[in-house]
Order: sequence, then structure tokens, then C-alpha cells
Amino acid sequence: RKEVEQDPGPFNVPEGATVAFNCTYSNSASQSFFWYRQDCRKEPKLLMSVYSSGNEDGRFTAQLNRASQYISLLIRDSKLSDSATYLCVVNTNAGKSTFGDGTTLTVKP
Amino acid sequence: EADIYQTPRYLVIGTGKKITLECSQTMGHDKMYWYQQDPGMELHLIHYSYGVNSTEKGDLSSESTVSRIRTEHFPLTLESARPSHTSQYLCASSESRGANTEAFFGQGTRLTVV
Repeated sequence: RKEVEQDPGPFNVPEGATVAFNCTYSNSASQSFFWYRQDCRKEPKLLMSVYSSGNEDGRFTAQLNRASQYISLLIRDSKLSDSATYLCVVNTNAGKSTFGDGTTLTVKP
Repeated sequence: EADIYQTPRYLVIGTGKKITLECSQTMGHDKMYWYQQDPGMELHLIHYSYGVNSTEKGDLSSESTVSRIRTEHFPLTLESARPSHTSQYLCASSESRGANTEAFFGQGTRLTVV
């Protein structure tokens, strides 16, 4: 079993749709959580950190459920420019980052 | 923009050649990482370092080696390149303070071994 598992995707949605990605992690000692975005043939970049209380940044909402060991990313009113691969990242207390395989989103007109 | 740089951006090289991929960061980060990623596929951690003279192998077995003589520099070397080494190599760095630190990535080196 992988340490970090994401929805397999790909997700193909129309503009304006709401889409949610889920990610589960196996290490109960994991300390911090992130969503990264990776555009085609580009490097990953931080989209948002995920806090225990949940956090929102514009159309993006991230949530963490420590008891069930999963995190989620919700994108509302999706735009064409949201098309990318979304990577779930989990850090241990030592700061070692484990990346999920990524979920690819394509937003169509 | 992150201050982490990789060179070269693209490299085409013959089988059996020795190559070194360069990665430098000017953010003073102690932690540095090398990932390998094939097109459309997941990231695989191949090496990481928590500071000068500290290097560890990652989750994916790799025939490459790394060194960390200076904080800002984390080069990756392939002694004898093979076509199976064709991939994108991404370098990243992060601060040392605990777990809640963002990783910054370089733009990657696309390696093709012919």
C-alpha cells in the first residue's frame, strides 16, 4: 500500500463545475499536509497548505480529517485555467515529504 | 519565484556517458531533494539531504549518486547513462523547521539518453 493515495482520475468537468479530490495517508504520525499543482511539463508548485480546521482560498477549500487520515480539495466554479495535476503531499515531523501520484483535472468549455 | 535553479534544462547524451545534473538554491535551505518523474506519471523521490554531508537514498532505487558539500548545492551524477535513465529530474528544497514547510522546486532537467 502506498503511503499517500489519491483519487485515480482523470477528472473531466465542464467550466463552472464543482470538483473534489480526496487523498488518504497511512502514516498516523504525519504532521503537515499540502496540495500542490503541477501544470503539464512544469514543476510542482504549492497551491495551499491544509490546516486541521480546514481552510479556504477563493474557490479552493482544503480539509483535513486526522481520525480518518484523509485530506480533500474542493474546487468551486472551475475555470479552464484550473486544468492541471493536483498533488497531495504529506510531511512527517522530520520534514520528509511524500507525494501522492496526482489527480489530473481537465476543465472543458 | 523560488530561488532554486537547475542546469541544464534539457540534455541529450549518448549511452555510457557520465553526466552531472546541477541544482543550486539561494534560500539557505538545509533540506534538498531529487525526484524523478516520467511524463504524465508520479514523482519518485530518489535522493534527499538534510544538510551538508548528509545524503540518503529515496523511495525509488536509482543508479545515480549525490553529494552535499555546500548547503546551496546538491548535484546528481550518473556514472554511465543508459536509455532507461531518460526522464525528468526535479530538484527541490525546503526549510528545516519541523514538518510545516513548503518544498520549492526547480524547473527540472529533461534528460534523454540515446
